[in-house]
Amino acid sequence: EVQLVESGGGLVKPGGSLRLSCAASGFTFSSYSMNWVRQAPGKGLEWVSSISSSSSYIYYADSVKGRFTISRDNAKNSLYLQMNSLRAEDTAVYYCARDLGGLFETWGQGTLVTVSS
Amino acid sequence: QLVLTQSPSASASLGASVKLTCTLSSGHSSYAIAWHQQQPEKGPRYLMKLNSDGSHSKGDGIPDRFSGSSSGAERYLTISSLQSEDEADYYCQTWGTGIHWVFGGGTKLTVL
Repeated sequence: EVQLVESGGGLVKPGGSLRLSCAASGFTFSSYSMNWVRQAPGKGLEWVSSISSSSSYIYYADSVKGRFTISRDNAKNSLYLQMNSLRAEDTAVYYCARDLGGLFETWGQGTLVTVSS
Repeated sequence: QLVLTQSPSASASLGASVKLTCTLSSGHSSYAIAWHQQQPEKGPRYLMKLNSDGSHSKGDGIPDRFSGSSSGAERYLTISSLQSEDEADYYCQTWGTGIHWVFGGGTKLTVL
C-alpha cells in the first residue's frame, strides 16, 4: 500500500525553527518528485515546495522562499522540510504529496504546525 | 497568470447528482487538472486526473459515481447518487512550467 506519513509538527515561537519529515512506503520513492502543501486553519490548500526525484530541481512558493528548505533522502525513503524564521502566518497543517506529472496523486494525513508566542 | 476558479459552495440532495466546476484562466484551456476531495477533519484525497478532451483517470478505489468532463476552459466533477460521505471540500489543482503548482479556492459541497 502506498503510504505517506508526516511528522515533526508542533508549537513553536515566532522566529523559531522546525523540521518536518515525511516517511514514504509502498512505492519506489526515488522515482517520484515530491511536494509539501499546507492548509491554514479554515483556509484552502497552498503549495509550498517541490523537489524532483534526484533533488536536481527545487522550487518554492514566494511566501516561504529564503526561509524554508526542502530536501530528501532516497536511501531512507524520506522527505523533509526545514522551516526557519517562522511566522504566525505559517500556522497550518502541512501535507506531503507524491507528484505524478505535476498532479498530487497521493497525500499524507498531515502534521500541524502552530506558530505562536 | 494561471488561476483556477471554483464556486465557494454547492448543495444537492441525498441520492441526487451534482456537477462542480473549475475554470482555467484565459490562455490555459488546454491544461489537465486534478480533482481532490477533503472530508471534514481529514487530509485531501486524489480523485482523478481530468484532461482537456474530457478523458480522465481515477485514483485507486474511487467509486464509479465520480466522473469528470471538460468543455473549453471548464473542468467538471460530477458526483451521482450522492451519499452523506460525499459532503466535503473539493479542490481542483494543476501545474505549469514557470507557474508551478496551483489550487482552486475549493467548493464546499453540502448534501441535503
